[in-house]
Amino acid sequence: QVQLVESGGGLVKPGGSLRLSCAASGFTFSDYYMSWIRQAPGKGLEWLSYMSSSGSSKYYADSVKGRFTISRDNAKNSLYLQMDSLRAEDTAVYYCARGYRSLLYWGQGTLVTVSS
Amino acid sequence: QSALTQPPSASGSPGQSVTISCTGTSSDVGGYNYVSWYQQHPGKAPKLLIYEVSKRPSGVPDRFSGSKSGNTASLTVSGLQGEDEADYYCSSNAGSNIVVFGGGTKLTVL
Repeated sequence: QVQLVESGGGLVKPGGSLRLSCAASGFTFSDYYMSWIRQAPGKGLEWLSYMSSSGSSKYYADSVKGRFTISRDNAKNSLYLQMDSLRAEDTAVYYCARGYRSLLYWGQGTLVTVSS
Repeated sequence: QSALTQPPSASGSPGQSVTISCTGTSSDVGGYNYVSWYQQHPGKAPKLLIYEVSKRPSGVPDRFSGSKSGNTASLTVSGLQGEDEADYYCSSNAGSNIVVFGGGTKLTVL
């Protein structure tokens, strides 16, 4: 069965960096676009970024463009999100999901807290 | 990249039907047939209910239906059940290869 498992969340100071990982299994990872979405505490969903199956194309929301970088390793069935220059407003649960226009499979999320 | 507009809340009694709207612009909802709807229960990951405006993934009850008219998409939940109480989010492709979500609607089953 399809599984997406995020990891790498935690507490980080403002201005710091964090790298999230998403381990995929149960499907041919290299065939699918992949996305990152976040949800601040008590707030709605916010799309952040998606990447094509080959990794050749990547797109970002304005809110994270220039600070966050999406990448993938198809040999390791893994998706990543490098987050730099973190701000308090980046505090959220971060989800990876399969696809980009419609997200059928989601991970359980990993919590990122940005606080001094 | 403005969020799509959803009503903050909706409600209905068991067995009734409820419709949740999702309003965008001609650059997102009105311009693409890639509207999706998600259901999210507290503490859980979102679940895809509707994709490409009106299609249901396997396993989603036909009580859930989607439609679109102009710049507004709608999700209708028929035969409301207690388990339908959740947050609902729409999303759409927008220009320049981006995706935008709605602000979410909290559905209460009275």
